[in-house]
Amino acid sequence: AQSVTQLGSHVSVSEGALVLLRCNYSSSVPPYLFWYVQYPNQGLQLLLKYTTGATLVKGINGFEAEFKKSETSFHLTKPSAHMSDAAEYFCAVIMNYGGSQGNLIFGKGTKLSVKP
Amino acid sequence: DSGVTQTPKHLITATGQRVTLRCSPRSGDLSVYWYQQSLDQGLQFLIQYYNGEERAKGNILERFSAQQFPDLHSELNLSSLELGDSALYFCASSVGRGPYNEQFFGPGTRLTVL
Repeated sequence: AQSVTQLGSHVSVSEGALVLLRCNYSSSVPPYLFWYVQYPNQGLQLLLKYTTGATLVKGINGFEAEFKKSETSFHLTKPSAHMSDAAEYFCAVIMNYGGSQGNLIFGKGTKLSVKP
Repeated sequence: DSGVTQTPKHLITATGQRVTLRCSPRSGDLSVYWYQQSLDQGLQFLIQYYNGEERAKGNILERFSAQQFPDLHSELNLSSLELGDSALYFCASSVGRGPYNEQFFGPGTRLTVL
């Protein structure tokens, strides 16, 4: 069964510092990969996704993620954290069974705090 | 604002009761998804409807059911409620049938079972 592991339930960075949120998946077939953000008292919003093609994916708000098949990873980064980035971030996967896809499977989430 | 609306925002009820959560998708979206977010289980996919038909089922309990109406709004019915059903229930919508289409999430309904 596929799963998604997000290392670190809480990550704290200083404003202006690099943000690195880790995500690993377990699957023998490269899945579709997603990062979602959830601001307090709101629903989830898609940051970026990887389906095929270029392994470095750029998303909204200056975030990007790189799909590394050899490491089964899809870590999320942002060069310089902003106070407004404080939120919970979810990595998610969809298994690609050829013409038939499963549905989103989410990691447990990582809460990002940004210190002034 | 994602364009997806959910009502009510909060719901407090007792064990054994039945409730209905409502979702209106974004204009033009044919797919509706339901998710449950709880502290112990995290965010879990429950069920998907596409243009009125059930398309995919996840970890949805038999006590739960859903439907999508001709105007594309959807309802999630939860019955014989237990304390463990307390959670945030999200609805999401997308244009297409496949889950890889961007899903737009509503603000959620917080259910508290006492």
